[in-house]
Amino acid sequence: SAVISQKPSRDICQRGTSLTIQCQVDSQVTMMFWYRQQPGQSLTLIATANQGSEATYESGFVIDKFPISRPNLTFSTLTVSNMSPEDSSIYLCSAQGASYEQYFGPGTRLTVT
Amino acid sequence: AQKITQTQPGMFVQEKEAVTLDCTYDTSDQSYGLFWYKQPSSGEMIFLIYQGSYDEQNATEGRYSLNFQKARKSANLVISASQLGDSAMYFCAMRPVEYSGAGSYQLTFGKGTKLSVIP
Repeated sequence: SAVISQKPSRDICQRGTSLTIQCQVDSQVTMMFWYRQQPGQSLTLIATANQGSEATYESGFVIDKFPISRPNLTFSTLTVSNMSPEDSSIYLCSAQGASYEQYFGPGTRLTVT
Repeated sequence: AQKITQTQPGMFVQEKEAVTLDCTYDTSDQSYGLFWYKQPSSGEMIFLIYQGSYDEQNATEGRYSLNFQKARKSANLVISASQLGDSAMYFCAMRPVEYSGAGSYQLTFGKGTKLSVIP
């Protein structure tokens, strides 16, 4: 199984600022994903982080708002740009290796004031 | 498109009793995987169990078992001998097995069931 760490675990940010969330996997994985979970809701996929190329964004999410990097097979970052209170959520990194299993990081709990 | 339905927003179970959390799904994919995750109040998503659509036997992992009924498109999670630490949100999810292009490999989640274990 893959062990995934995220930094920071939580943050309180002011409106209009940006936050970069880091995701580190303890082994090389084929696919990495970023999810958002708004308060009391289920998980929604933001994008698939592709190694060496641009991320693939889901409907309703754009690169200018959520730029993503994936420089190698074990690391990815998600930036939440120009934040507003509506961005207050848990952001979760997820990874899938060679097998079917898909694991999640501990999440980053973001509050925007 | 895939869809997961969890009809129980909340469930209560007595400690040491068994509980079943319902999950139905809809998909046009021939091959797919079904997942259950546990999310405690800390927010992390903990992988519990996986069932492949072509697996003939129901998956089991310790106290967790998946009651897979393909014809009914249901994948219910059974937790035996409930413990206080089982109190959490439980999410059913599914994903195609075969990659068919960008965006096709994502997990689709249900809305979740909040399980409360009573001492």
